[in-house]
Amino acid sequence: DTGVSQNPRHKITKRGQNVTFRCDPISEHNRLYWYRQTLGQGPEFLTYFQNEAQLEKSRLLSDRFSAERPKGSFSTLEIQRTEQGDSAMYLCASSPPRGRTLQETQYFGPGTRLLVL
Amino acid sequence: GQQLNQSPQSMFIQEGEDVSMNCTSSSIFNTWLWYKQDPGEGPVLLIALYKAGELTSNGRLTAQFGITRKDSFLNISASIPSDVGIYFCAGVQAGANSKLTFGKGITLSVRP
Repeated sequence: DTGVSQNPRHKITKRGQNVTFRCDPISEHNRLYWYRQTLGQGPEFLTYFQNEAQLEKSRLLSDRFSAERPKGSFSTLEIQRTEQGDSAMYLCASSPPRGRTLQETQYFGPGTRLLVL
Repeated sequence: GQQLNQSPQSMFIQEGEDVSMNCTSSSIFNTWLWYKQDPGEGPVLLIALYKAGELTSNGRLTAQFGITRKDSFLNISASIPSDVGIYFCAGVQAGANSKLTFGKGITLSVRP
């Protein structure tokens, strides 16, 4: 049973460049989340997909950020015109379909650490 | 901004000791999750709680969902060196559409 995978694990880019990260959720998990974590802080919610539909976006997700999940499986997070303030760990999590109990459980990937120079 | 309070920021204990951490909020949560994170890695789920008053164990870890639904507690018994890491509480607020709100985490150090 493979967990959530994320690629790349590390990315160094120059300010102004575009970057794209990929997340592969646990198979059969229909819900997928992106979070951002800066040093000394807990993860902060960015966006949420149920299947291919993007159901919620945080105010943290500026117009330079876009996330997709075209076939309801893997997801990509793109940051355009990167800024130094975008430097952070970007985490992906997935959850199985909600049963009758509506219990929530999210499993995280290893993250992609972004450094913008 | 984050709405879950975890303190202190760091805890130092001796191997073999028990340690308790709590997580509080001014808002009501329907779900509490406790995670452990090692440097450079993603958070790993330790325990999930879904009902007020619920007490759940996972090996040497025990967590409780507070009766008021505004807090949760994690206890680690007989600590060992591999318990070192950052412990985060996370919760789902009523009507929050599954998104998790995290605390800032507590860094645990275990002296051999």
